Amino acid sequence: LAKTTQPISMDSYEGQEVNITCSHNNIATNDYITWYQQFPSQGPRFIIQGYKTKVTNEVASLFIPADRKSSTLSLPRVSLSDTAVYYCLVGDIAGGFKTIFGAGTRLFVKA
Amino acid sequence: EAGVTQSPTHLIKTRGQQATLRCSPISGHTSVYWYQQALGLGLQFLLWYDEGEERNRGNFPPRFSGRQFPNYSSELNVNALELEDSALYLCASSLITPRGGEETQYFGPGTRLLVL
Repeated sequence: LAKTTQPISMDSYEGQEVNITCSHNNIATNDYITWYQQFPSQGPRFIIQGYKTKVTNEVASLFIPADRKSSTLSLPRVSLSDTAVYYCLVGDIAGGFKTIFGAGTRLFVKA
Repeated sequence: EAGVTQSPTHLIKTRGQQATLRCSPISGHTSVYWYQQALGLGLQFLLWYDEGEERNRGNFPPRFSGRQFPNYSSELNVNALELEDSALYLCASSLITPRGGEETQYFGPGTRLLVL
């Protein structure tokens, strides 16, 4: 399972775009990249998943360069309610599955 | 559609006692995962059950155990409780298909266990 590295914390202001980058240098061919959001005392919530290039949904965009050794979660115009911990996961279910959540990135949005 | 449910929401025990936590996955999901999250820390993978069998286990002592029932619900048992077992225990479910790639996990609200 590929190990991921993310910044421990980030600060932003309301209305700004926030980009959180995750490094996964030993990503395997079959691995997907998934991001989760977690609020205090709640379970993580799926945000977005991708394999390559760019993926966009109603919540966020995920940018994945051609070498797939990193990915960037982009949150457009954040609000105070986006204050949470964001986890980047890289993995593949083929041959068995386990999930390793790293420490995540603690995003604090200020007014 | 109902999400993942967990019970109880809060549990208070004393050292040496046993705790039983329960999880009901989303209808149709066959895989259940258990995680421990101590206050202010990331999620630590505990156990993965699929189709009634334990598929993988995290780095936890044997006093952490569980099972999955025929209806895919699951129980996590923690024996001989220690103070450091105090944490939020999260259950997640997913549907494993052979398509490859990581399947999305849907998390429950968690059970907060306090060991005194």
